[in-house]
Amino acid sequence: KNEVEQSPQNLTAQEGEFITINCSYSVGISALHWLQQHPGGGIVSLFMLSSGKKKHGRLIATINIQEKHSSLHITASHPRDSAVYICAVGTSGSRLTFGEGTQLTVNP
Amino acid sequence: DAGITQSPRHKVTETGTPVTLRCHQTENHRYMYWYRQDPGHGLRLIHYSYGVKDTDKGEVSDGYSVSRSKTEDFLLTLESATSSQTSVYFCAISEDVRTEAFFGQGTRLTVV
Repeated sequence: KNEVEQSPQNLTAQEGEFITINCSYSVGISALHWLQQHPGGGIVSLFMLSSGKKKHGRLIATINIQEKHSSLHITASHPRDSAVYICAVGTSGSRLTFGEGTQLTVNP
Repeated sequence: DAGITQSPRHKVTETGTPVTLRCHQTENHRYMYWYRQDPGHGLRLIHYSYGVKDTDKGEVSDGYSVSRSKTEDFLLTLESATSSQTSVYFCAISEDVRTEAFFGQGTRLTVV
């Protein structure tokens, strides 16, 4: 079992829909990161959080430390949100452990 | 954008040849990482560095070596490339896992 599990693996939505991507982890963490990878490969950091909730534009990230679970929400989704979303946790030392990613496709 | 560049961006090489990938940062961040990304796997850590001349192995370090002689440069070397090392390689930098990580654009390596 991977230390970081994401669901779903693939997600297709219509423009305007509310989207949720989930991340569960099995280890103690110091922080959790949400990353975005567009076609062409570049990886961008969206959020880094260790408790509570963060919001940036239409993106919201939450974390429940007790349940070892985080969610990434996208409100009013748009085709330009189509990308791979990756959850990563900071564990011992300075390492990050990554989930396999969620491929999101938003259709117009 | 964070100042992190990888070179080369694409490379095709033959089995058995040595290959060196370079990661260069202008942010003066302490930590530098090399990951590989393959279908069906998340990003997997190859090696990382926590300072000049201070490096440690990641989960998939076999067949790879690294060096960090200056804060800004982190080199990944495949001493004798194999087809199983065909992958996309990403460099990343951070001050700490509690802070934001910044990624390079990736290097697509094909070993034929």
